[in-house]
Amino acid sequence: AQRVTQPEKLLSVFKGAPVELKCNYSYSGSPELFWYVQYSRQRLQLLLRHISRESIKGFTADLNKGETSFHLKKPFAQEEDSAMYYCALRDNQGGKLIFGQGTELSVKP
Amino acid sequence: DAGVTQSPTHLIKTRGQHVTLRCSPISGHKSVSWYQQVLGQGPQFIFQYYEKEERGRGNFPDRFSARQFPNYSSELNVNALLLGDSALYLCASSLVSGRAVYEQYFGPGTRLTVT
Repeated sequence: AQRVTQPEKLLSVFKGAPVELKCNYSYSGSPELFWYVQYSRQRLQLLLRHISRESIKGFTADLNKGETSFHLKKPFAQEEDSAMYYCALRDNQGGKLIFGQGTELSVKP
Repeated sequence: DAGVTQSPTHLIKTRGQHVTLRCSPISGHKSVSWYQQVLGQGPQFIFQYYEKEERGRGNFPDRFSARQFPNYSSELNVNALLLGDSALYLCASSLVSGRAVYEQYFGPGTRLTVT
């Protein structure tokens, strides 16, 4: 079964601390993995995707097929990073996205 | 471009009623997808439409239906509403080229409350 698991509902860190939001997936094949972010009172937006291997707002994520993980990392958290983060998987059949339940990141001053 | 737009913003319905939610995609986007987001959960896929045809359907009962119009806007219909249908309904549009589906851009959602 296709599934995305985000084990932490809430992650609270202090400004300047490293952040790692965990994401594990279950999929037989070659999925596309994404991280979406939703800031307060804003719409869901794409943060990054594994195929582009880029860093957005200081965040990076590496696809580990052996561990079926796609953890989101940032070396130094900022207060403006506080938001809901969703890991998502897209199968190779089309555009359907399968989301995890989300992790709320709270960065304290 | 205002991005993906959805109407109405909020809606309150009674059990057993039906509801129609509307979505206008970004100009040039021909694919529209619908998601249901229950409080505290991630979005769950309901439908995908491309060129007015259903291209995918999630695990939802037949009470849920949708369609896409020639201008690529879309409607989501839910009949015989249940309390459990209370959720934020998200619409997303994307470009499609061949078999490739590009980034999905989400609308602000419609908050449906069933009493």
